[in-house]
Amino acid sequence: EDQVTQSPEALRLQEGESSSLNCSYTVSGLRGLFWYRQDPGKGPEFLFTLYSAGEEKEKERLKATLTKKESFLHITAPKPEDSATYLCAVEAGGTSYGKLTFGQGTILTVHP
Amino acid sequence: EPEVTQTPSHQVTQMGQEVILRCVPISNHLYFYWYRQILGQKVEFLVSFYNNEISEKSEIFDDQFSVERPDGSNFTLKIRSTKLEDSAMYFCASLTDRGPLFQYFGPGTRLTVT
Repeated sequence: EDQVTQSPEALRLQEGESSSLNCSYTVSGLRGLFWYRQDPGKGPEFLFTLYSAGEEKEKERLKATLTKKESFLHITAPKPEDSATYLCAVEAGGTSYGKLTFGQGTILTVHP
Repeated sequence: EPEVTQTPSHQVTQMGQEVILRCVPISNHLYFYWYRQILGQKVEFLVSFYNNEISEKSEIFDDQFSVERPDGSNFTLKIRSTKLEDSAMYFCASLTDRGPLFQYFGPGTRLTVT
């Protein structure tokens, strides 16, 4: 069974305090690993897709990396507007195209 | 920016009633999905749909659930006889196979079963 585990469950940072979120996964053949951002009461908003170990993607203050067993979302000098829940999801081989298995998410709060 | 839309944003229904949740996927997308998120829990896959048929469904998606693409633009999720445990946010998502290869999610419908 495909599994995705995110840690920590919640993270509180001061503005400017860099940190990383972790996503560990167990899948039978990874097609892709996805990071989404979710604001309260809203749908997930796409951030990154990673396909193979060693791959990195960057967008503003966020950088996603991928190894064979986990992914990290690095947040550099965060701002209060980065506060949200960050979701990690995997698309596994042997499942229907696009089917995503999500982790529990990390609730990030950035204080001014 | 293309977007997936969902209606209604909030639906309150009594246990045992039928509900239909509606979604308008992005116009050139061919793959459609429903997910749900119970308050405080993870987003869970319900069903995937392609070429007018179900590609895959989860254990949650039992005989009380059905999906339909009644025309060229709408994608619906029907719950035939709602239970208290069906209370959740329901998200519709769509995907193309010609890039960008990620799912666009709608804003969700909050279903409250009383």
